[in-house]
Amino acid sequence: QQKVQQSPESLTVSEGAMASLNCTFSDGTSNNFRWYRQHSAKGLEVLVSIFSDGEKEEGRFTAHLNRANLHVSLHIREPQPSDSAVYLCAVSIKNTGYQNFYFGKGTSLTVIP
Amino acid sequence: AQTIHQWPVAEIKAVGSPLSLGCTIKGKSSPNLYWYWQATGGTLQQLFYSITVGQVESVVQLNLSASRPKDDQFILSTEKLLLSHSGFYLCAWSHQSGNTLYFGEGSRLIVV
Repeated sequence: QQKVQQSPESLTVSEGAMASLNCTFSDGTSNNFRWYRQHSAKGLEVLVSIFSDGEKEEGRFTAHLNRANLHVSLHIREPQPSDSAVYLCAVSIKNTGYQNFYFGKGTSLTVIP
Repeated sequence: AQTIHQWPVAEIKAVGSPLSLGCTIKGKSSPNLYWYWQATGGTLQQLFYSITVGQVESVVQLNLSASRPKDDQFILSTEKLLLSHSGFYLCAWSHQSGNTLYFGEGSRLIVV
């Protein structure tokens, strides 16, 4: 069973400083990785998806994937108070006709003005 | 553009009462559909998925059931609620064999 762990559990940064979030997964056959954001009691918003080792940038959000280390990270450039939310790491494994998606518990990010 | 709508937005229900949560996807034919549950402070946990109309696979039952009566509709239900059913229920869709989930706004359930 895939295990997805995120760190830190919570993170406070000042507006404009870089925010870095980490995610490790246990199944080396995982083939797709993405970061979601969830504002309080709301649905999940896709931020960035990454499928191969290296870096993928979407606006102020950059994901780094290192499959050998079973690690994917998210860096938020110039975070703003509106970025305060829970960030969820999702790892998926392809199955016949669908993908199995596994989520971490999330990192709660607070951005201070 | 595809839209996903969940109802109700929130409910307070008594233990032992029935429950029905709904989800409708517009603008996408033959999507894969998913139900997720999130306890307060807990991990998002997949409950069910469906690849086609009339077919639903259970991942974790939690004394709940799901049905897909139409291509664009996914229903989560139970005849008798437990306190442990409280939480946030999210419906999601993906393209067939797609690798990104698109979520609805969720339904908040409080069981008292």
